[in-house]
Amino acid sequence: SAVISQKPSRDICQRGTSLTIQCQVDSQVTMMFWYRQQPGQSLTLIATANQGSEATYESGFVIDKFPISRPNLTFSTLTVSNLSPEDSSIYLCSDQQGAETQYFGPGTRLLVL
Amino acid sequence: GNSVTQMEGPVTLSEEAFLTINCTYTATGYPSLFWYVQYPGEGLQLLLKATKADDKGSNKGFEATYRKETTSFHLEKGSVQVSDSAVYFCAMDTGRRALTFGSGTRLQVQP
Repeated sequence: SAVISQKPSRDICQRGTSLTIQCQVDSQVTMMFWYRQQPGQSLTLIATANQGSEATYESGFVIDKFPISRPNLTFSTLTVSNLSPEDSSIYLCSDQQGAETQYFGPGTRLLVL
Repeated sequence: GNSVTQMEGPVTLSEEAFLTINCTYTATGYPSLFWYVQYPGEGLQLLLKATKADDKGSNKGFEATYRKETTSFHLEKGSVQVSDSAVYFCAMDTGRRALTFGSGTRLQVQP
């Protein structure tokens, strides 16, 4: 399985600011995904990021709030903009390895004050 | 629509007890099914998977069988350990590659 790293591992931010999360995979992958895990909740897909095209967002998530970049086959960033306390969550990236199986990064724990 | 339903937690067991965590799904077609585990303070780890009916996924003493007739993928372990304490997520891939997750079940194993 690929090794996925995320930076930062955690951060505390002030409301109104933005946080950019980086996701690095140690092998080339076509599809990468960004999920949000709100406190005590399950994971919800934010968007699918394919290299060379615009990210595809799920219902309830918009590009202005969660801009995503995918400059190459091993890297992606998620920015959470105009932060509010409701954005306090764990943000996880994942990739698609072979058929069906996704592997996840360790997550970024965001607290918005 | 597509959904995954898991039993409510927390599940509290004594060490060496038998574990079952129920998972059922609703989907068109035949999804691939997964169990992920999240240990305290960590990210998600793939525990096991099954890609077609009657497949049995297994890993670290955990097992789950893909039952098409009951649309279920229950997680079982014959003898749990304290180190198994974690949150367990059932998930499915309906072919669009992104995963649909259940709500998660917290397992607490007491010595």
